[in-house]
Amino acid sequence: AQSVTQLGSHVSVSEGALVLLRCNYSSSVPPYLFWYVQYPNQGLQLLLKYTTGATLVKGINGFEAEFKKSETSFHLTKPSAHMSDAAEYFCAVSRSSGNTPLVFGKGTRLSVIA
Amino acid sequence: SQTIHQWPATLVQPVGSPLSLECTVEGTSNPNLYWYRQAAGRGLQLLFYSVGIGQISSEVPQNLSASRPQDRQFILSSKKLLLSDSGFYLCAGMDRGEGEQFFGPGTRLTVL
Repeated sequence: AQSVTQLGSHVSVSEGALVLLRCNYSSSVPPYLFWYVQYPNQGLQLLLKYTTGATLVKGINGFEAEFKKSETSFHLTKPSAHMSDAAEYFCAVSRSSGNTPLVFGKGTRLSVIA
Repeated sequence: SQTIHQWPATLVQPVGSPLSLECTVEGTSNPNLYWYRQAAGRGLQLLFYSVGIGQISSEVPQNLSASRPQDRQFILSSKKLLLSDSGFYLCAGMDRGEGEQFFGPGTRLTVL
């Protein structure tokens, strides 16, 4: 069975500092991996996804993530945090067939301090 | 890409009243559809998913049910709401083989 672990339910960074949100997954088959962002009282918006190919994936709003198979990780980073990045972030994994529901982590709330 | 519509945006209902939340999808055909619930301060809980008209899989036993009367319509219902049904309900869709899910804007349900 697949699972996702997001380390840290709450991460706080200063504006302009590096953002690092951690995600580790468990999957018995080659995974598809996703990061979503959720602003208060809104639905989830896809930030980026990894399916196959290049392991460093660039997404919207300056975010990127690197798939590391040996570490079963898919950590999300952004070089310089902006106040507008404050939100809830979810990591998710799917079977490579793409026809089963995504399995989500419990989320990490990112706070950005001025 | 597909667009997911949900309504209403907010809903306040008394305990014991019925519920009907509707989700419709634009921009795709024959998608997989999902209902999630998000309780305050908690992650996403998958409630139901559907791979086609009339086909519903329930992930957790509870006070809710789902139906898919048309290809791009997914309905979440309850005959009698409980306090514990309060939460933020999200509908999502997925094109087969793509893996990526698209989410609607959500419905905030408060049961009093």
